[in-house]
Formats: sequence, C-alpha cells, structure tokens
Amino acid sequence: EVQLLESGGGLVQPGGSLRLSCAASGFTFSSYAMSWVRQAPGKGLEWVSVISGSGGVTYYADSVKGRFTISRDNSKNTLYLQMNSLRAEDTAVYYCAKEAVVLVVTDSPFDYWGQGTLVTVSS
Amino acid sequence: SYELIQPPSVSVSPGQTANITCSGDKLGDKYACWYQQKPGQSPVLVIYQDNKRPSGIPERFSGSNSGNTATLTISGTQAMDEADYYCQAWDSTTGVFGTGTKVTVL
Repeated sequence: EVQLLESGGGLVQPGGSLRLSCAASGFTFSSYAMSWVRQAPGKGLEWVSVISGSGGVTYYADSVKGRFTISRDNSKNTLYLQMNSLRAEDTAVYYCAKEAVVLVVTDSPFDYWGQGTLVTVSS
Repeated sequence: SYELIQPPSVSVSPGQTANITCSGDKLGDKYACWYQQKPGQSPVLVIYQDNKRPSGIPERFSGSNSGNTATLTISGTQAMDEADYYCQAWDSTTGVFGTGTKVTVL
C-alpha cells in the first residue's frame, strides 16, 4: 500500500525558514518523480515543485522560485521541501504527491497524495 | 503564465448528469486530469489522460478533452459526489491546476 506522510509544518515568522519532509512507502521511491502541491486556507490547489526520481531534475512555480528548494534522499525514501524567505502568502497546507508514470518528470497525473502539513507564516 | 479556468460552482439533482468544464489555451493538445477533494481530505485522482479512470473510480465518472476545453462528466450523480473538483495539466515543466468547481448535489 502506497503511503505518503508529511511532517515539518508549523508556525513561522515572515522571513523565516522551514523544512518539510515526506516519508514514502509501498512503492519503488526512486522510480517516480514527486511533487509538492499547496492549498491556502479556503482556496484552490497550487502546484509548487517537482523532482525527478533520481533527483537530478527539478522545476518550480514562479511564486517560489529562488526561495524554495526541493530535494530527495532515495536511501531514506524521503522527499523534502526547504522553504526560505517565507511570506504570509505561503501559508497553506502542503501536500506531497506521487506521479503516476514511472521515470517521467512531467506530463503525469498525481495518483497518491499525503494527508498534508500546515504551514502558517505570521508574526 | 498558463491558466485553467473552471466555473466556481455546479448544482445537480441526484441521478442527473453534472458537466464540469476546464478551459485553457490549446488544452486539447495536452493531457488533462481531474481530482476530487472532499472537505478536510486530500485530493483523489478520478480521471487521467483525458478520459481514463483509475482503479476503484466508479464508471459514472468520465472525461473528454478537445480544443480549448476539457470536461468531467458525472452521470447518475450521487450525494457522495458532492465535493470540489480540480482539473490539472502540465504546461511544459509547470504543473497547473484549474480554479476549482464546487459540485452541489441538491
């Protein structure tokens, strides 16, 4: 059974940093690209970033480019999102999501999602 | 940047058909997929590659994609289908979600 478990969310001041983790199990982690998707309170879904299965290819939404860094440790089956220079508009539930198609970075749907972790940016 | 536009809300009577549209420039040239999200829950994939259903998704969910519009159709809508629905596509290396549609089963 595929499981994705996010952690690391919490309250942080504007300008601060936070690192999210997503522990994966139930599939060959290194074979699949992984994304982070966020949802501000009462709002829609927003794609944040994707990383290839090997970790060598990454892409970001313009809204987070230069501030967020996606990475993965395939030996630990864990995905990360390092978030720096946080702003109030980064407040959201952050989901990690597994891409459905093996060895593809983009152009694949997300077939499994974690339960999400809430990040609140406020003074 | 690429945008996918959905109607904010759709109302449907039980047993009737709900059609949810998703509009984007030349969307028919891309693969569209659809997610269902119920309150307090994570999204669930209900349609991928325009018209394919993942295992476990009821046959009443179907999809199409042509020109500038993708459509999610729920036939014989049930009360349990009341949820938010989001379309999604990739614009080159960027993932894009639609604005979302709240489906109400009256």
